[in-house]
Amino acid sequence: GAVVSQHPSRVICKSGTSVKIECRSLDFQATTMFWYRQFPKQSLMLMATSNEGSKATYEQGVEKDKFLINHASLTLSTLTVTSAHPEDSSFYICSAWTERGNQPQHFGDGTRLSIL
Amino acid sequence: KQEVTQIPAALSVPEGENLVLNCSFTDSAIYNLQWFRQDPGKGLTSLLLIQSSQREQTSGRLNASLDKSSGRSTLYIAASQPGDSATYLCAVDLWGGADGLTFGKGTHLIIQP
Repeated sequence: GAVVSQHPSRVICKSGTSVKIECRSLDFQATTMFWYRQFPKQSLMLMATSNEGSKATYEQGVEKDKFLINHASLTLSTLTVTSAHPEDSSFYICSAWTERGNQPQHFGDGTRLSIL
Repeated sequence: KQEVTQIPAALSVPEGENLVLNCSFTDSAIYNLQWFRQDPGKGLTSLLLIQSSQREQTSGRLNASLDKSSGRSTLYIAASQPGDSATYLCAVDLWGGADGLTFGKGTHLIIQP
């Protein structure tokens, strides 16, 4: 089956640090990649949608200057949390989708971000 | 705006019982619905995907049904085992993968040995 690799799986860093999370589709070319955020005991909330070579589309309430998304190729998208603060601590998870073959989204294993 | 609700929020049952998890959604114009499993601190494992034209899907001890017109889905787990303990998430897809999924908050399931 389709595999999506997400790195790192765990990040602990000081307030003010910028953190980059990578999402790679290993065995297929992803037309679109999605970034979700999950706070404890809450549902996954879509943050943004990114298509290769174009600017990401952010959901209402998500600061695009805070959460920088780069979708440089059909197999790689990155999310950078800039100048992270404790309130940014959350579980971030990506998914990848291809328009070929009527496939569902395939999810990475997530990144646990803890800002001290 | 699509909203997804899962009931109950938490459930604890003895091993061996059959159980039903419920999911409801407000906009019936969905493309498909998926049930996922999430273990603590981990990512998502897709369990079952039901297309909007389907009524149910089965995989092993799991059976998911979909009543699109009433905006409901159920996940039936037969002969529950301690290894089934996890959070079960329901998610709806409006555009066949081209758009983000809308998730419920999940049902936290504990199967007592």
